[in-house]
Amino acid sequence: DQQVKQNSPSLSVQEGRISILNCDYTNSMFDYFLWYKKYPAEGPTFLISISSIKDKNEDGRFTVFLNKSAKHLSLHIVPSQPGDSAVYFCAASATGNQFYFGTGTSLTVIP
Amino acid sequence: DTAVSQTPKYLVTQMGNDKSIKCEQNLGHDTMYWYKQDSKKFLKIMFSYNNKELIINETVPNRFSPKSPDKAHLNLHINSLELGDSAVYFCASSQDETLYKVRQFFGPGTRLTVL
Repeated sequence: DQQVKQNSPSLSVQEGRISILNCDYTNSMFDYFLWYKKYPAEGPTFLISISSIKDKNEDGRFTVFLNKSAKHLSLHIVPSQPGDSAVYFCAASATGNQFYFGTGTSLTVIP
Repeated sequence: DTAVSQTPKYLVTQMGNDKSIKCEQNLGHDTMYWYKQDSKKFLKIMFSYNNKELIINETVPNRFSPKSPDKAHLNLHINSLELGDSAVYFCASSQDETLYKVRQFFGPGTRLTVL
């Protein structure tokens, strides 16, 4: 039972353009969401988070949007850079301790 | 300095063997985790330990046994390995501050292949 879904396994974007990665969840009790970035042969690294009391959180080129009514989360990267090429996982938590992860979206930024 | 380290990075073994994966964190965190990423890239929690005590134990076969000698270490022992155990195993840690500040630091992963 997959409570967090990333329906796009891959995405290609031109350098300088916006990358939009999407994430959907089913559990309405989730109240904290994170995005992780993963390079090959490395573990995921934390990128940005948002709590359910907000609908937007911004950190430099990265912005996460939360639409609670649609149970939808998105990560915007602008402008996209080749170094952003990685797999992006979204994760959600209802307890603050146990996270449910999506299956990841592989982003390729084309120079 | 490596924050969360795992050994070995690769592990190839035969069915039926017993193996261990070690994890250490030097972040001073109270909570450590083991995750399994299967062939479908689904990253799923297996165990969580807080100050050497088990707090999350998902539906994992009892062939898998975590051992935490101290709060900086959480090792994973797997007995009677099966083909379906082949996956990448990630260790992670976090500092429980408040609900909205819990983020995890992951190790580089251990790719286990059971032949």
